[in-house]
Amino acid sequence: GAVVSQHPSWVICKSGTSVKIECRSLDFQATTMFWYRQFPKQSLMLMATSNEGSKATYEQGVEKDKFLINHASLTLSTLTVTSAHPEDSSFYICSARLTGGSDEQYFGPGTRLTVT
Amino acid sequence: KQEVTQIPAALSVPEGENLVLNCSFTDSAIYNLQWFRQDPGKGLTSLLLIQSSQREQTSGRLNASLDKSSGRSTLYIAASQPGDSATYLCAVSGFQKLVFGTGTRLLVSP
Repeated sequence: GAVVSQHPSWVICKSGTSVKIECRSLDFQATTMFWYRQFPKQSLMLMATSNEGSKATYEQGVEKDKFLINHASLTLSTLTVTSAHPEDSSFYICSARLTGGSDEQYFGPGTRLTVT
Repeated sequence: KQEVTQIPAALSVPEGENLVLNCSFTDSAIYNLQWFRQDPGKGLTSLLLIQSSQREQTSGRLNASLDKSSGRSTLYIAASQPGDSATYLCAVSGFQKLVFGTGTRLLVSP
């Protein structure tokens, strides 16, 4: 149980284009989902907290107009990287917290974004 | 602001050794602490979760302890195997947020 999927697992896009990454909780409902970014050989950094039906809360230094987050249902959150640049190339990982459950987060397998 | 540090940053051991990974955090007001494993280019695998009221958790060859007052946790791996080679991350849970440590890259050689 508590499986989280991400799509796509990897994507290559050209500079200036936009890319959408999906995060789904497959067998549970998640009121809250989280988006993390991980640069090579570094740890995970929280980008934003996404609550179903409301606006996401972004961490300091994360541009909300560049990283658009939508959490339209209890099983799906999307992250859109707008006007991507090479410096946005990174590993993006989402997690989901079980609605009404403990504080534990369940992580997706990640999406590797490469911007050329 | 919570800061999480892991020591050592990298560790190389021969197969069969018992080893200890360390995690320290600056703010003791945490809900829980988790240890994760991450293989290269992959997502996270949760290994152990210790609630703030607990002192330790065990799963197979893994044992994690938590000393909240001193801001420390250790992950003990018994009889290490080459398949244990990965990066190990600890993360502490504050109000709705997980703060990750810097990670320990473990290499277990046959």
